[in-house]
Amino acid sequence: EPEVTQTPSHQVTQMGQEVILRCVPISNHLYFYWYRQILGQKVEFLVSFYNNEISEKSEIFDDQFSVERPDGSNFTLKIRSTKLEDSAMYFCASREMGIANQPQHFGDGTRLSIL
Amino acid sequence: QQQVKQSPQSLIVQKGGISIINCAYENTAFDYFPWYQQFPGKGPALLIAIRPDVSEKKEGRFTISFNKSAKQFSLHIMDSQPGDSATYFCAASRGNTDKLIFGTGTRLQVFP
Repeated sequence: EPEVTQTPSHQVTQMGQEVILRCVPISNHLYFYWYRQILGQKVEFLVSFYNNEISEKSEIFDDQFSVERPDGSNFTLKIRSTKLEDSAMYFCASREMGIANQPQHFGDGTRLSIL
Repeated sequence: QQQVKQSPQSLIVQKGGISIINCAYENTAFDYFPWYQQFPGKGPALLIAIRPDVSEKKEGRFTISFNKSAKQFSLHIMDSQPGDSATYFCAASRGNTDKLIFGTGTRLQVFP
């Protein structure tokens, strides 16, 4: 069964450094999402992306965050200057084109630890 | 109004028992209600989902009950098994925006 893959599985970064989290969505999917989950808390929406532009973003997704689809397969989340509170699990999700509310398929996440 | 409230926070059930997890929402514009199952170190995996035009949906041992007037929905796991031990998240979304609003999660432990 096709799946969403995320790399790296764990990223440790010094505060203030830039970090790029990578995702390879399922190949025929056209809608992409990033969510995050702070340890022990609920999963929170960050941003959705379709047709090479952001569809919606949450209050969390401030100017330090950006997303990009640099080629036909990868979808990346960049945090320009990381803060301690950015430490969390970051999940990428994708869904295929069609009517709204098609299931979103999640990757296994990248654990981001900011020191 | 964007919140989805989930209870209980944790649940311990004996093998063969029924696990029940409840969620409530406020935004009547929500029209899609999925449940996700998450094992440690893994991402959320879609378990079952329902739309508000039906009151119940069953897939194997998993059933969603939906009460539109009360703005509540619940997940029932029949004949709970140790392999069902995981964290369960309810979620909701609006058709046009499609972002998922997650509940706070329920950690289910099924003991043999």
